[in-house]
Amino acid sequence: GAGVSQSPSNKVTEKGKDVELRCDPISGHTALYWYRQSLGQGLEFLIYFQGNSAPDKSGLPSDRFSAERTGGSVSTLTIQRTQQEDSAVYLCASSPGQDWPNSPLHFGNGTRLTVT
Amino acid sequence: AQSVAQPEDQVNVAEGNPLTVKCTYSVSGNPYLFWYVQYPNRGLQFLLKYITGDNLVKGSYGFEAEFNKSQTSFHLKKPSALVSDSALYFCAVRDISGGYQKVTFGTGTKLQVIP
Repeated sequence: GAGVSQSPSNKVTEKGKDVELRCDPISGHTALYWYRQSLGQGLEFLIYFQGNSAPDKSGLPSDRFSAERTGGSVSTLTIQRTQQEDSAVYLCASSPGQDWPNSPLHFGNGTRLTVT
Repeated sequence: AQSVAQPEDQVNVAEGNPLTVKCTYSVSGNPYLFWYVQYPNRGLQFLLKYITGDNLVKGSYGFEAEFNKSQTSFHLKKPSALVSDSALYFCAVRDISGGYQKVTFGTGTKLQVIP
């Protein structure tokens, strides 16, 4: 079946511009995560959505970052006034709501963001 | 707060030799532990998990991991390494205390299998 889909796969933007990154989770998965992977770094947690509950935004690095999830499915991560330090691979993952915490995360291939 | 440590940035092993990639964790409740692998320019793929039960868990591609509660470790192992195992490996922990689903990852270990 279809996996987690992220778009675009690559994005080059100028410093100061806004960008939107999209994630389509696996159908029926109620949990959705965003992570950031910088060169030489591990996975940095950004935000987590679970069903209709309030999202956990504790990982967002600044108020330039925001995310929403519409209809419990597609999610968009928005970065306003991009900075060069925002350059990274942004990974989205989803997980079934039932049978947690046994369920592993299913990752997309990521969006590589380059801020020039 | 939960945390994961992978003390080695890179592990080099000769093809055919056994390999170990180390991971230690810290959680307030019972740990739910996972290993993931990332091949170049790809997302992470699930390898194996420990929830409860036997301390030795088996996963994909011949990998296994040993859970040690007293040492708070969850090391990834394979009896005989293949060149195709060369990739970036991440350990992760999910702390479910309070019904929380946050998953914390380590910084990753690059495995290089030398022909």
